Amino acid sequence: KAGVTQTPRYLIKTRGQQVTLSCSPISGHRSVSWYQQTPGQGLQFLFEYFSETQRNKGNFPGRFSGRQFSNSRSEMNVSTLELGDSALYLCASSLRILPYEQYFGPGTRLTVT
Amino acid sequence: QQQVKQSPQSLIVQKGGISIINCAYENTAFDYFPWYQQFPGKGPALLIAIRPDVSEKKEGRFTISFNKSAKQFSLHIMDSQPGDSATYFCAASRGETSGSRLTFGEGTQLTVNP
Repeated sequence: KAGVTQTPRYLIKTRGQQVTLSCSPISGHRSVSWYQQTPGQGLQFLFEYFSETQRNKGNFPGRFSGRQFSNSRSEMNVSTLELGDSALYLCASSLRILPYEQYFGPGTRLTVT
Repeated sequence: QQQVKQSPQSLIVQKGGISIINCAYENTAFDYFPWYQQFPGKGPALLIAIRPDVSEKKEGRFTISFNKSAKQFSLHIMDSQPGDSATYFCAASRGETSGSRLTFGEGTQLTVNP
């Protein structure tokens, strides 16, 4: 079974621009969660989508948004990029059956200049 | 209330030794405690996980010890190998209430010398 895939793997954007990242979950997994990983803040939860609905949201500004499609694929968008948004963005998929084991993709490395 | 504290920040062990990483949590509602292993340039990989109804879980060379009353859990890596050199993260979640939301520890950089 193929793992979680994320595209693109690397991205360089300029401050003020917006960016869209994509995630395809493991086949059969209907829950997708997004995390931001930085050296200073570690791994922080952004949001979770299940059945095309946002189920949980972390403590991030409204510039961070996401959506999920009927095939469970998910996208996250960051508008008006700031230098501090430079991070590894990780997507994790889950069956959303307790205990909600999550499997991570390789991440998208976003650099904002 | 949502924090998970992890120690040590870095750990150096000789090949064949035991690596021990500790985590402490505050929120007693947490009911799922996974450990993840992350290599440079890769996403975190689920290593082993435990629920609070058991005090220990072993999978191969990896063992989780769980102390519910102390709100602490630890990862033991027996017979540590150079290939185990990676960053390890503990995490916790509240299951039904918070869905897939994981709260992570700060991470431990493990180096196993040959």
